Amino acid sequence: ETGVTQTPRHLVMGMTNKKSLKCEQHLGHNAMYWYKQSAKKPLELMFVYSLEERVENNSVPSRFSPECPNSSHLFLHLHTLQPEDSALYLCASSQEQDVGDTQYFGPGTRLTVL
Amino acid sequence: AQKVTQAQTEISVVEKEDVTLDCVYETRDTTYYLFWYKQPPSGELVFLIRRNSFDEQNEISGRYSWNFQKSTSSFNFTITASQVVDSAVYFCALSEAYNQGGKLIFGQGTELSVKP
Repeated sequence: ETGVTQTPRHLVMGMTNKKSLKCEQHLGHNAMYWYKQSAKKPLELMFVYSLEERVENNSVPSRFSPECPNSSHLFLHLHTLQPEDSALYLCASSQEQDVGDTQYFGPGTRLTVL
Repeated sequence: AQKVTQAQTEISVVEKEDVTLDCVYETRDTTYYLFWYKQPPSGELVFLIRRNSFDEQNEISGRYSWNFQKSTSSFNFTITASQVVDSAVYFCALSEAYNQGGKLIFGQGTELSVKP
């Protein structure tokens, strides 16, 4: 496998469900990111991890809970979501969390909350 | 004020036409990087190019070329002889040295449709 992978690619869940999104990078990078892309809106940075430590949390509601067990894996745990949380969730990684470091993105998980 | 402006929301061209996607940025920093990404219908953002603020040389890669002009704070992207496979949303992004961690600031994106 190469690059950044994400599973599942599509997810439909009810507002009371609990689910997790998974991201894996095979690039040997030290930084990983979660982005949210809603229709007609620019990409919104949600979380940043550098060397498995969370370094940024952009005022994201607590119903989104990230986890980074090692530098290759990143999870986004979801619970009690709202319909407005329906979006494309993109994971990215970069060599370091530094200016100019290119971020490489996964294919995304398209989430629908009913 | 938006830091990265892609004024063209949608562009439609016919195959083999040349097309230019505009990107205007705003920064107080002297050290920064600019990026272009392509997002096809599948959803994945594909990295196309990175330029730093000290290198104003234009770049050409096959049918793609980029024109970086600090004087007008622009980093425009031209596709020559467009093809249907070029249909996608294209994002310009900025990374500033003072903005801790080099956070990527994305423009709104330009949706390019290339018709056969």
